[in-house]
Amino acid sequence: AQSVTQLGSHVSVSEGALVLLRCNYSSSVPPYLFWYVQYPNQGLQLLLKYTTGATLVKGINGFEAEFKKSETSFHLTKPSAHMSDAAEYFCAVSVGGQNFVFGPGTRLSVLP
Amino acid sequence: NAGVTQTPKFQVLKTGQSMTLQCAQDMNHNSMYWYRQDPGMGLRLIYYSASEGTTDKGEVPNGYNVSRLNKREFSLRLESAAPSQTSVYFCASRSGSVLGNQPQHFGDGTRLSIL
Repeated sequence: AQSVTQLGSHVSVSEGALVLLRCNYSSSVPPYLFWYVQYPNQGLQLLLKYTTGATLVKGINGFEAEFKKSETSFHLTKPSAHMSDAAEYFCAVSVGGQNFVFGPGTRLSVLP
Repeated sequence: NAGVTQTPKFQVLKTGQSMTLQCAQDMNHNSMYWYRQDPGMGLRLIYYSASEGTTDKGEVPNGYNVSRLNKREFSLRLESAAPSQTSVYFCASRSGSVLGNQPQHFGDGTRLSIL
């Protein structure tokens, strides 16, 4: 069975600093990987996804993630944090069918 | 451009009361899901429906029932609410590719408190 871990339940960065949110997965078969963002009192919105092809994936709002099979990782980055990036971020993995597994989430705070 | 619509947005129940949470999607998706979100635990799957006419249990189905009324609608019922069911409930839908490479689309959630 697949699983997802997100290192750090809460990450704080200064405005303009690099954002790095970590996601590691375990899966016995090649996975499909997703990052979602959740703003307060809202549902989850898709930021980006990796299915096949290029391992560096670009998403909305300047975020990108790189699939590294050897490290079983799919870390999310943004070069320069903005106050509006403050939210909770979820990594998810799917290996086919209806089986989606979400990580526990990382809350990002952006300090002025 | 509604996407996934959940009703109600907020609800307070007393222990033992029953309630149905409604979900409808307008994207012609085959698959629909119900999750609950609790602090520090991410999203946990309650039930899902891979296609109209089918439903299956997820990780935490106890205390819940579902109905896939048609392709658009998927409801979640609490027959006898318990305080442990206090949570935020999310409905999601997906185009339903068997490959699993299509993302889920989420509603804005129902915030449910059981007293």
